[in-house]
Amino acid sequence: DVVMTQSPLSLPVTLGQPASISCRSSQSLIYSDGISYLSWFQQRPGQSPRRLIYKVSNRDSGVPDRFSGSGSGTDFTLKISRVEAEDVGVYYCMQGTHWPYTFGQGTKLEIK
Amino acid sequence: QVQLMQSGAEVKKPGASVKVSCRASGYTFTDYYIHWVRQAPGQGLEWMGWINPNSGGTNFAQTFEGRVTLTRDSSISTAYMELPTLTFDDTAVYYCAREGLNSIDYWGQGTLVTVSS
Repeated sequence: DVVMTQSPLSLPVTLGQPASISCRSSQSLIYSDGISYLSWFQQRPGQSPRRLIYKVSNRDSGVPDRFSGSGSGTDFTLKISRVEAEDVGVYYCMQGTHWPYTFGQGTKLEIK
Repeated sequence: QVQLMQSGAEVKKPGASVKVSCRASGYTFTDYYIHWVRQAPGQGLEWMGWINPNSGGTNFAQTFEGRVTLTRDSSISTAYMELPTLTFDDTAVYYCAREGLNSIDYWGQGTLVTVSS
């Protein structure tokens, strides 16, 4: 199975400051169609996960533009340009290129 | 709008089985795979498997192969996840979710299954 490794696992951030989460895969996520199927999810406390980003850098409908995704191959990043209080939660990356789909361990974002 | 409505919380004794339902609405049920994902208390997300609601075909993570049964009733747009012979380690929130572009785009609200003697 493809192992997804996130860092950091804990991310204290001051309101209004940027935040960045790294996700590395144990194999390339480039599928035969040339697309990397890497997604990012946010899970607020007590809620179901919500997808923020798919195919590395595509924001889902309703996701604020302060969230952005980038990367290629085995190295990916989720960036929040200015952290707001509602961004508190756990962020997961997930690969959908290889079976089975696998998630990163999660990064807990909290406000300093 | 797309919604996945799951059945309510369950408390089961070790050795019992549990069946969780997931009713889809807002889209054509047979057009999208349904995934099941487990989250143990305070832990991360673990993909369990998927079912193709059109054909009934399934695929499982190795951890759950031979243990979990995924079924569906397309006439009522509902998918089911059954886990037999429960142990304390099966205590978790179980999510159903819809396949979207080699990803998961919509999630159910989760069903807490507690295994307790």
